[in-house]
Amino acid sequence: DTGVSQDPRHKITKRGQNVTFRCDPISEHNRLYWYRQTLGQGPEFLTYFQNEAQLEKSRLLSDRFSAERPKGSFSTLEIQRTEQGDSAMYLCASSLPELAGVGNEQFFGPGTRLTVL
Amino acid sequence: GNSVTQMEGPVTLSEEAFLTINCTYTATGYPSLFWYVQYPGEGLQLLLKATKADDKGSNKGFEATYRKETTSFHLEKGSVQVSDSAVYFCALWDNDMRFGAGTRLTVKP
Repeated sequence: DTGVSQDPRHKITKRGQNVTFRCDPISEHNRLYWYRQTLGQGPEFLTYFQNEAQLEKSRLLSDRFSAERPKGSFSTLEIQRTEQGDSAMYLCASSLPELAGVGNEQFFGPGTRLTVL
Repeated sequence: GNSVTQMEGPVTLSEEAFLTINCTYTATGYPSLFWYVQYPGEGLQLLLKATKADDKGSNKGFEATYRKETTSFHLEKGSVQVSDSAVYFCALWDNDMRFGAGTRLTVKP
């Protein structure tokens, strides 16, 4: 296992279309996170899973965004009815679970760059 | 809500100069604090972390101390190298992860 992988690496779509991204975490990691990053900014937390349970979801996350991790392994992030403002890098990360509230190192994938025309 | 504020860049230093990148945070609980680094053409990776007050994280000559009284986690290195050129992100974990905007460091020979 060489790390977190994401597919596709680049996606160009037209406004109004739906897109889906996939993330494969490091195999022994039961936590999986999604972030969005725009140019010149730090990653913005979207949501995270522990196994198949979605534990936290950002209040900034539009209803057009949905994430799943049905079997507790890979995850998908879907954006419906894309808008130009959705153009960004979408990052996935995985980690071991936190112990006693202490955050663990997150391992990041290379990201999927979305361009909405 | 929780947030992280870090020193705006870009920062340009000569090799062997001393580096400080300031980071302050706002949190309601007892967060874990991190510095992540993104080298050119690579993904984000953990540089160091601290999980409770007065802890010092260190790695590759970089250090940062978790200061609860000043809500700070400043990154320091005594002598930077050209290979340290990257974007540095301060981050906080407390049921979700909050990142600062990043500070771009360029080290010139």
